[in-house]
Order: sequence, then structure tokens, then C-alpha cells
Amino acid sequence: RKEVEQDPGPFNVPEGATVAFNCTYSNSASQSFFWYRQDCRKEPKLLMSVYSSGNEDGRFTAQLNRASQYISLLIRDSKLSDSATYLCVVNRLYDYKLSFGAGTTVTVRA
Amino acid sequence: EAGVVQSPRYKIIEKKQPVAFWCNPISGHNTLYWYLQNLGQGPELLIRYENEEAVDDSQLPKDRFSAERLKGVDSTLKIQPAELGDSAVYLCASSSTGAEAQYFGPGTRLLVL
Repeated sequence: RKEVEQDPGPFNVPEGATVAFNCTYSNSASQSFFWYRQDCRKEPKLLMSVYSSGNEDGRFTAQLNRASQYISLLIRDSKLSDSATYLCVVNRLYDYKLSFGAGTTVTVRA
Repeated sequence: EAGVVQSPRYKIIEKKQPVAFWCNPISGHNTLYWYLQNLGQGPELLIRYENEEAVDDSQLPKDRFSAERLKGVDSTLKIQPAELGDSAVYLCASSSTGAEAQYFGPGTRLLVL
């Protein structure tokens, strides 16, 4: 079983819609979590860290559920520019081993 | 503030040839990572440095891959000899510590013919 698993999608949504997707992790010792965005043929860019109490950054909301070992990302009022692959990253702080998911592809259509 | 710098951006070589990639991390970042990314997959860690020390190289294919970060700043990743299956994007990232978020360079796209 992979350490980090994501639904690959694609999630095809119209502009203005809300889209949400999860990332599950297998190691309960994982301690810090991030969402990255990756555009086609570009490098991953940090979207947001995920905090235990959940956090928002504009139209983006991240949640952490330690009991069920998943994190989620919700995008409200989707824009065309939100079309990208979203990578989930899990960090095992006792040895700083980071694991990336394979990504969830989101396509926002006009 | 300058981001992570990588060169070259693209490289095409024939199999069995050597190739080297260079990375300069964000100033002040002690932790440096080299990743390999294949199409449709997430980055896979090759090696992590804390300053000049390689603290995790468990995924580095040491028969053909080598890396160095001699002065704890910039780093070089080398493949010798390259194989067809090495065609991928090689990403460098840095962070202030191993616990913090990483920032990626633009990557080197390698094609082995």
C-alpha cells in the first residue's frame, strides 16, 4: 500500500462550482501536511500547509482528520485558473521523510 | 528573494553517457532535496541533505547515481551511465528545516535516447 493515496480524478467542474477531494495516508506517525499545486510541465508550488484545526486561504479550505488519516482540500467558487494537479504531501517528523501523492487533477470549464 | 535555481532546464543525451544537474537552493535553506518525477506521478525522493550531510539517500540508485553538496549550499546530481529509464524530470527543492514546507526549482527535463 502506498504511503499517500489520492483520487487521480479528473474532477471536471464548471466555473463557480465547489470541488473537494481527499488524500489518505497510511502512517499514523505523520505529523505535518501540505497541499501543492502543479501546472502542466511546471514544478510543484506550495498551496497551503494543513493545520490540525483546519485552515482557510481565500477560496481554499484544508482539513485534517487524524482519526481517519486523511486530509482534504475544498475549492470554492472555482476559477479557470484553478485547473491544475493538486499534490498531497505528508511529512513524518521523526525522520522528516516526505511522501507525495500522485496528484488529483482538477479541470474548471467555462 | 530568488527561488531555487536549477540548470540545465533540458538535456538530451544518448544512453550510457554521463549527465549532471546543478541546483542552488534558496539562500539560508539548510535542507536540500533531489526528486525524480515521472509523468502522472508525484515526485519521488532521491536524496535529502541537511547542510552538507546526506541524511537520507536510501532511494538513490547508488550504482549509477551520485550527489554532492560540498559546502552545504549548491548541489550536483550525476548519473553515469544514463539508461533509457532515467528519462524524467529531476526536481530540486529546499526548505529552512526538514519540518518546513519545501520550495521547488523549475526542474531539469532529461531525455535519454
